[in-house]
Amino acid sequence: DAGVTQSPTHLIKTRGQQVTLRCSPKSGHDTVSWYQQALGQGPQFIFQYYEEEERQRGNFPDRFSGHQFPNYSSELNVNALLLGDSALYLCASRLNRNTEAFFGQGTRLTVV
Amino acid sequence: GESVGLHLPTLSVQEGDNSIINCAYSNSASDYFIWYKQESGKGPQFIIDIRSNMDKRQGQRVTVLLNKTVKHLSLQIAATQPGDSAVYFCAENDRGSTLGRLYFGRGTQLTVWP
Repeated sequence: DAGVTQSPTHLIKTRGQQVTLRCSPKSGHDTVSWYQQALGQGPQFIFQYYEEEERQRGNFPDRFSGHQFPNYSSELNVNALLLGDSALYLCASRLNRNTEAFFGQGTRLTVV
Repeated sequence: GESVGLHLPTLSVQEGDNSIINCAYSNSASDYFIWYKQESGKGPQFIIDIRSNMDKRQGQRVTVLLNKTVKHLSLQIAATQPGDSAVYFCAENDRGSTLGRLYFGRGTQLTVWP
């Protein structure tokens, strides 16, 4: 079992550009969540997908959007990148709300 | 909003000693808590969890204690090893989230000296 996999591992973008990050959940998991982790901080919830729909959203602007595919994999899109969007973006999957969330290695996004 | 926080941002211990990492939470309705370990450049790794109907849970070299009266959570690591050096986060399940949104604290940096 490969666990949660994310791609790419590192990315450098210019302000104003758009970026797409990808995630494959752990085998058997159908719920995918995205978190943003700024340097020295804990992960902050962006949103969560289940059955190809966004089910819950954190305090992030509409520039952050996502998608879940029929195979449960997911994408995170960020438009009009700002310097403050530089962070580690983590994807997590869970079997249900009463079990641990498994995290991927993250994508390190740097906006210059 | 975020309801989980930590008492100390850093903790240094000598190899072989026991470590105690603390966490405070503010939502008395939280029903499930998780401790994660995060090494530099990696994603959070599950250590141990505890449900609100329990006070204590033990794993291999780790114990989590939950005090609901004062809304406090702690992680005890026995015989701490250099490989335990990492940032430790407690995370709280959002009870209102049917799919389990997690709230994280700021984390404690544990450094183990030989």
